[in-house]
Amino acid sequence: AQRVTQPEKLLSVFKGAPVELKCNYSYSGSPELFWYVQYSRQRLQLLLRHISRESIKGFTADLNKGETSFHLKKPFAQEEDSAMYYCALLNTDKLIFGTGTRLQVFP
Amino acid sequence: NAGVMQNPRHLVRRRGQEARLRCSPMKGHSHVYWYRQLPEEGLKFMVYLQKENIIDESGMPKERFSAEFPKEGPSILRIQQVVRGDSAAYFCASSPALGGTGNYGYTFGSGTRLTVV
Repeated sequence: AQRVTQPEKLLSVFKGAPVELKCNYSYSGSPELFWYVQYSRQRLQLLLRHISRESIKGFTADLNKGETSFHLKKPFAQEEDSAMYYCALLNTDKLIFGTGTRLQVFP
Repeated sequence: NAGVMQNPRHLVRRRGQEARLRCSPMKGHSHVYWYRQLPEEGLKFMVYLQKENIIDESGMPKERFSAEFPKEGPSILRIQQVVRGDSAAYFCASSPALGGTGNYGYTFGSGTRLTVV
């Protein structure tokens, strides 16, 4: 079955520390994966998608098919990165979301 | 471009009443998706519609829930005879192409928070 797992509900770091938000997936086929971010009281926004291989706001994510992972990383966290982060997998016509990880960045 | 507009932002209904949630997609988007987020859970797919057609309703509960996307006007998610378990945030997203595989993927609305009392 297609599934996205985000094992951490909450991740707390200090400003300037590296961040890694974990995402594992289960999918039979070639996956298309996304990271969405939801800042407080705002709508979900697309952060990045693996096929574009871009870096947004200093975040990157690499698809590792061997480990079926798509972890989100940032070398130096900023306070404004505090938000909910959702990993998502495109399954034909719909997105399958993980349960999300709340990132708290302390000053 | 106003983005995806959902209204109302908050909706309170008594058990047994009907709830109507509206979603206006981004200009130029003809594909609409509804997701539900229960407390402490991720977003769960409910239904995918194009104008006047339901394409995939595999995530819709079998009873009391229906959705439409008429030729004119917003998409409507309708919940009849609401129960406490329907309390959740309901998000709408739109895309210009199948699977949101255009450059911008899905665009989400701000959601409607339904509370059943």
